Amino acid sequence: EAEVAQSPRYKITEKSQAVAFWCDPISGHATLYWYRQILGQGPELLVQFQDESVVDDSQLPKDRFSAERLKGVDSTLKIQPAELGDSAMYLCASSHGPSGRALSTDTQYFGPGTRLTVL
Amino acid sequence: AQSVTQLGSHVSVSEGALVLLRCNYSSSVPPYLFWYVQYPNQGLQLLLKYTSAATLVKGINGFEAEFKKSETSFHLTKPSAHMSDAAEYFCAVSEGDTGFQKLVFGTGTRLLVSP
Repeated sequence: EAEVAQSPRYKITEKSQAVAFWCDPISGHATLYWYRQILGQGPELLVQFQDESVVDDSQLPKDRFSAERLKGVDSTLKIQPAELGDSAMYLCASSHGPSGRALSTDTQYFGPGTRLTVL
Repeated sequence: AQSVTQLGSHVSVSEGALVLLRCNYSSSVPPYLFWYVQYPNQGLQLLLKYTSAATLVKGINGFEAEFKKSETSFHLTKPSAHMSDAAEYFCAVSEGDTGFQKLVFGTGTRLLVSP
């Protein structure tokens, strides 16, 4: 069964350093999501891509976070500089709506996540 | 904006007992509702979803949920708990068809299953 791949699984960094996370969605999934999950809370959407275009980044702290999906396949989420409050699980998900368009009924498939600890 | 409330951050049951995890939603339009499960240090996996077809939705691993508009609820149930059901469960609502999907998750309920 196809899965969403993420790396690294764990990352420890010091504050003010730069970190990057990678996600490879299920083949053929046009929609890709990055979520942040703080311990004890539900995931919160950071950014959503449709192919290579950003369709929602309203909750992305753009002063320090950036995301790209240059060829509309895999994606990278970067934090620079990292802050203590960025410690969380970063989840990537993908979905495939009919004709490549995301629908509200789509199933999102999640990767295993990257657990970030900022010291 | 749409939202979901999950009552009880922790629910404890004995193996073989009924599982009931509560979820209430707030929405100004007909909602689409989802239940996801998360095992320790893993991503989320879809259990089931309501997409305005049948109000009683059956999912994987013996779970089911019933959409009740009058109560704005979408509670998750399983007749008999198994040790392997111990995990974190998240209810989520999808905002309307705006050309993309945005899931809004609840804060989660941790299910503890004792022998």
